[in-house]
Amino acid sequence: QKEVEQNSGPLSVPEGAIASLNCTYSDRGSQSFFWYRQYSGKSPELIMSIYSNGDKEDGRFTAQLNKASQYVSLLIRDSQPSDSATYLCAVIKAAGNKLTFGGGTRVLVKP
Amino acid sequence: NAGVTQTPKFQVLKTGQSMTLQCAQDMNHNSMYWYRQDPGMGLRLIYYSASEGTTDKGEVPNGYNVSRLNKREFSLRLESAAPSQTSVYFCASSEGRENEQYFGPGTRLTVT
Repeated sequence: QKEVEQNSGPLSVPEGAIASLNCTYSDRGSQSFFWYRQYSGKSPELIMSIYSNGDKEDGRFTAQLNKASQYVSLLIRDSQPSDSATYLCAVIKAAGNKLTFGGGTRVLVKP
Repeated sequence: NAGVTQTPKFQVLKTGQSMTLQCAQDMNHNSMYWYRQDPGMGLRLIYYSASEGTTDKGEVPNGYNVSRLNKREFSLRLESAAPSQTSVYFCASSEGRENEQYFGPGTRLTVT
């Protein structure tokens, strides 16, 4: 079992719809969770961080964390073609400051 | 405020050659990291430096060395490049308990 798992996609979403991305992790003691967006040929860009159970909203993005079920999700509302990218889930385990990344979910927003 | 910068952007090496990838950050962050990204393998940590004067191995350290030159700069050295080191290399930095990491633009390295 991979430490951080994501569906590789592609997740195809019509423009204006909600894109829902999921990520599961294996270390129950993990404390910090991040979503990065990576355009093709570019570096990862931090878009959301979440540390406690529940929802965290920032603009069109909402991160949801459920530590009991060991999953974290990202919702993108009113999806735009510019949201087409690969979204990486990353987790910091209980001890230390090292990020472990999932393989990423490719999102395609179609006009 | 440039954030995290990396040089060079592209590099082609022959097997056995050496080179140093440079990374600098102007955000006054204590922690710095080197990753490689390969298709199908995702981002993997090579080395990191929690603070000036310290370095630690990550998931895939073999074939690499690092130097934390000062608080701003963290370099990655390939002593004898191998085709398996063909990859995109990213440097990142972070600060504080939240440990949000910010990435540089990357170096695309090809070893023939």
